Amino acid sequence: NAGVTQTPKFRVLKTGQSMTLLCAQDMNHEYMYWYRQDPGMGLRLIHYSVGEGTTAKGEVPDGYNVSRLKKQNFLLGLESAAPSQTSVYFCASTSTDTQYFGPGTRLTVL
Amino acid sequence: AQSVSQHNHHVILSEAASLELGCNYSYGGTVNLFWYVQYPGQHLQLLLKYFSGDPLVKGIKGFEAEFIKSKFSFNLRKPSVQWSDTAEYFCAVTEGNAGNMLTFGGGTRLMVKP
Repeated sequence: NAGVTQTPKFRVLKTGQSMTLLCAQDMNHEYMYWYRQDPGMGLRLIHYSVGEGTTAKGEVPDGYNVSRLKKQNFLLGLESAAPSQTSVYFCASTSTDTQYFGPGTRLTVL
Repeated sequence: AQSVSQHNHHVILSEAASLELGCNYSYGGTVNLFWYVQYPGQHLQLLLKYFSGDPLVKGIKGFEAEFIKSKFSFNLRKPSVQWSDTAEYFCAVTEGNAGNMLTFGGGTRLMVKP
């Protein structure tokens, strides 16, 4: 049981490039989330999903898109990366009341 | 919208000192409350949570937190910290019917000197 996994762990992009972050969970959880973590700001919710095929915007959705084609996977896309998107990205999942977090992806946009 | 405040951004303690980290939230209805810990280079791990019942909640590694509804607070405590408690601590809240959407505080970075 791997829990929540994220790929890649690190990535450096140039402004304007695109990329996709993958989150996978093997706990059969319905709910999945993408957060970004910035110093002094805690974690802020980007997008979330309440089930396969559904997504919704969180607190800071601009510049990101998501997809949940399979229950176990939740993808976060950056179509045209900007330096303001330099951050650590965490995925989480839950089926009831407690969210379980992945190890994070550190993204730098130059 | 819900907000969560952690007033201590950085705390430095010596080993064996007592710890109390403040957490206040803004929502006046039913809430679920959490404390997460993030050790250096690692992901967030759940320390403890409160949903209902006894307002004094005990978590892992000797941590506890007290829910005081009248003060909108959920402060984290530990009687005697260890060097291994050096980490960042996050308070988080979900509203009663908000579908598990967590709102996080800004975090408190704790350094314990050996």
